[in-house]
Amino acid sequence: SAVISQKPSRDICQRGTSLTIQCQVDSQVTMMFWYRQQPGQSLTLIATANQGSEATYESGFVIDKFPISRPNLTFSTLTVSNLSPEDSSIYLCSVEGVKERLNEQFFGPGTRLTVL
Amino acid sequence: SQELEQSPQSLIVQEGKNLTINCTSSKTLYGLYWYKQKYGEGLIFLMMLQKGGEEKSHEKITAKLDEKKQQSSLHITASQPSHAGIYLCGAYLAGGTSYGKLTFGQGTILTVHP
Repeated sequence: SAVISQKPSRDICQRGTSLTIQCQVDSQVTMMFWYRQQPGQSLTLIATANQGSEATYESGFVIDKFPISRPNLTFSTLTVSNLSPEDSSIYLCSVEGVKERLNEQFFGPGTRLTVL
Repeated sequence: SQELEQSPQSLIVQEGKNLTINCTSSKTLYGLYWYKQKYGEGLIFLMMLQKGGEEKSHEKITAKLDEKKQQSSLHITASQPSHAGIYLCGAYLAGGTSYGKLTFGQGTILTVHP
């Protein structure tokens, strides 16, 4: 399977600021996704990060709040903008299309965000 | 209501006991994943089931997919404290609008007492 890293692993931010989360994979993958897990909740897909084009957002998530970049097949960033306490969550990137494990989706270790 | 329902929501067992966690979908399944999550951390991939009747095992964990019942079960044999954590099922569901979008159950919290 792929080795997925996320930076930072955790952060505490002030209201109104922004946080950019990086996701790095050790091999080229077809698909990269960003999920959110609010406290005590399950995971919700934010968007699909498309290489070289705009991300595809799920209902309830918009580009102005969650800008995403994917400059190549191994790297993506998610920015959470204009932070409010409601944004306190774990943010996880996931990948699909790993060589020899094409249909399986693997997750990174997550970024725990606390907004004060 | 949830599209993927897990039961039970929490489970406390004595070390050495067997246990089963269920995941039931309200829609047709096109692939079902089982993950384990330690509190506040990422998801560890356990296994993926794609075909009805498929059964996979990894160490003491076995998962089965009953496509007709739109249900999967995860069975742990002779549980150990290292099995403790949150077990999540995720699935590709019929009518999904996004390729690769996994819908998740609410999770089952497993505690194993030594």
